[in-house]
Amino acid sequence: DTEVTQTPKHLVMGMTNKKSLKCEQHMGHRAMYWYKQKAKKPPELMFVYSYEKLSINESVPSRFSPECPNSSLLNLHLHALQPEDSALYLCASSQGGLSSEQFFGPGTRLTVL
Amino acid sequence: GESVGLHLPTLSVQEGDNSIINCAYSNSASDYFIWYKQESGKGPQFIIDIRSNMDKRQGQRVTVLLNKTVKHLSLQIAATQPGDSAVYFCAETDYSGGGADGLTFGKGTHLIIQP
Repeated sequence: DTEVTQTPKHLVMGMTNKKSLKCEQHMGHRAMYWYKQKAKKPPELMFVYSYEKLSINESVPSRFSPECPNSSLLNLHLHALQPEDSALYLCASSQGGLSSEQFFGPGTRLTVL
Repeated sequence: GESVGLHLPTLSVQEGDNSIINCAYSNSASDYFIWYKQESGKGPQFIIDIRSNMDKRQGQRVTVLLNKTVKHLSLQIAATQPGDSAVYFCAETDYSGGGADGLTFGKGTHLIIQP
């Protein structure tokens, strides 16, 4: 299995809602990532988990809360988002270390009303 | 500011011709470079990578060239096909030793294949 899966594919939420994005991989990868991609822009790194521990937080607002329940799963909890948070949220995984390819999921298209 | 990405927003080539997509980076400590292809509605797909101790790497119909002197990366696609139409991103990472590092992406080039 060389796939990263993400659910849901699409999500529409209001600014007072709480929702979660989910990501799963079964490649035995020890690193998992969240990226945010606005339309016609490159992906931007948000968080990195290494061995289930948060290792990088790129100064992301606290309304985004990552969680890594186990080595195969990565969640992104959303609360009190703003319309400008609407974007494609991409999850990726890798073995970690130099020359380690990151495999990306298809993303969750998030719209905040 | 961004550390990666000389920006040519759109590149239009004839089917069957070769394509060259360019990218510049500014972080001299970058160790590892990757080209990704992203089709509409999909996540980035790995194409080819290169480490900083190499200057050229070839795959199937693709070649990546790395010029560390001028901090320039290019992707060459031979005999482009309609399926090559996508946005292409270069990405780099500065391996900080032992851990997993996120990628910094360039701005992207939209490759359009003309029939």
